[in-house]
Amino acid sequence: GAVVSQHPSWVICKSGTSVKIECRSLDFQATTMFWYRQFPKKSLMLMATSNEGSKATYEQGVEKDKFLINHASLTLSTLTVTSAHPEDSSFYICSARVEAANYGYTFGSGTRLTVV
Amino acid sequence: GNSVTQMEGPVTLSEEAFLTINCTYTATGYPSLFWYVQYPGEGLQLLLKATKADDKGSNKGFEATYRKETTSFHLEKGSVQVSDSAVYFCALRDGGATNKLIFGTGTLLAVQP
Repeated sequence: GAVVSQHPSWVICKSGTSVKIECRSLDFQATTMFWYRQFPKKSLMLMATSNEGSKATYEQGVEKDKFLINHASLTLSTLTVTSAHPEDSSFYICSARVEAANYGYTFGSGTRLTVV
Repeated sequence: GNSVTQMEGPVTLSEEAFLTINCTYTATGYPSLFWYVQYPGEGLQLLLKATKADDKGSNKGFEATYRKETTSFHLEKGSVQVSDSAVYFCALRDGGATNKLIFGTGTLLAVQP
């Protein structure tokens, strides 16, 4: 139980285009989802926390106009990288807090974004 | 603010060797502590956790004990296998409204046959 499905697993896009990454909770309702970015050989950097039906809370230094997060339902959160540039190339991972598991967390399998 | 410090990698071991990956934390109160594992090209999987002082989390032969005296949560395994090769992350659950996870930098473990 408590599975988060993240798509796509990898995507290549041209500079200047936008890319949407989806995370769906398959068998539970995710009130809160977290979006992380992982740089090579670096830890996970929390980008933002999204709550269903309200605006996302962004971490300091993360451009909210560039990384648009939408959490319109209890089972879906999306991250859109707008006007992507090569420096946005990274591994993006979503995570959901599983309320029923004493605040456990489950992670998506990640999306490898390459901007060319 | 709260933070996690994790030993630098990579750690290279031979099969059946003993593993220790150090993790210490800075936090107000007594946060829950976690170890996550990330296999190549995949997302993170919970390996084990401990929610209060002196708790021992264990899974798949890995263990970690929540030591409040030393603010540590070191990961250990008595005999590693090649299949244990992965990146290991120590994390704590931050207090507050969102209960977000704060991660260490990750430690790459490479086990050689």
